[in-house]
Amino acid sequence: SQQGEEDPQALSIQEGENATMNCSYKTSINNLQWYRQNSGRGLVHLILIRSNEREKHSGRLRVTLDTSKKSSSLLITASRAADTASYFCATDARGGSNYKLTFGKGTLLTVNP
Amino acid sequence: SAVISQKPSRDICQRGTSLTIQCQVDSQVTMMFWYRQQPGQSLTLIATANQGSEATYESGFVIDKFPISRPNLTFSTLTVSNMSPEDSSIYLCSVTGSGTDTQYFGPGTRLTVL
Repeated sequence: SQQGEEDPQALSIQEGENATMNCSYKTSINNLQWYRQNSGRGLVHLILIRSNEREKHSGRLRVTLDTSKKSSSLLITASRAADTASYFCATDARGGSNYKLTFGKGTLLTVNP
Repeated sequence: SAVISQKPSRDICQRGTSLTIQCQVDSQVTMMFWYRQQPGQSLTLIATANQGSEATYESGFVIDKFPISRPNLTFSTLTVSNMSPEDSSIYLCSVTGSGTDTQYFGPGTRLTVL
């Protein structure tokens, strides 16, 4: 089964609005990473949050992690048309994983001008 | 962050042939991985490329189908052998460096098999 599951699968908003995407996972993790992918191209790393962290910020991005609920959220504030992309969470499982990542199915975000 | 390049960026191949994808990093890295992303899907790990030894494959992936080389700390190749249309995917390499958990991805190779 998928380690990471994002919801919603698709999200359409207007420019300037905030976008929130959620990720759930099943096993204990070392860290969780969020990525962006534009039109089937390579993945761009956004944020890494460790299992002992609860919140991280980077520019317009805010990531939270709740290990008791095995969930994370990515908030993009004041969205722009250029934020249109697929967003994936990926988990690095605890216990000798050698940094192997398990990806969720992704959220397709569309920001309308 | 590491700068990663992949060659080719895309290719269209005939079934039954093989394609070798190259991944080059601008600095020495600890770990290198190969992922597959089938159309409209998420990423699935194929294998960990080990420097100077055989790659470690994930369940469902075998060396005969996806031979991998990693001759040094900055370069790896993935070969997709005896291709069928089901192999049409984006293939991505990724790396992690010493002292960091962050994993960076290359731009991907879009493969179409006819």
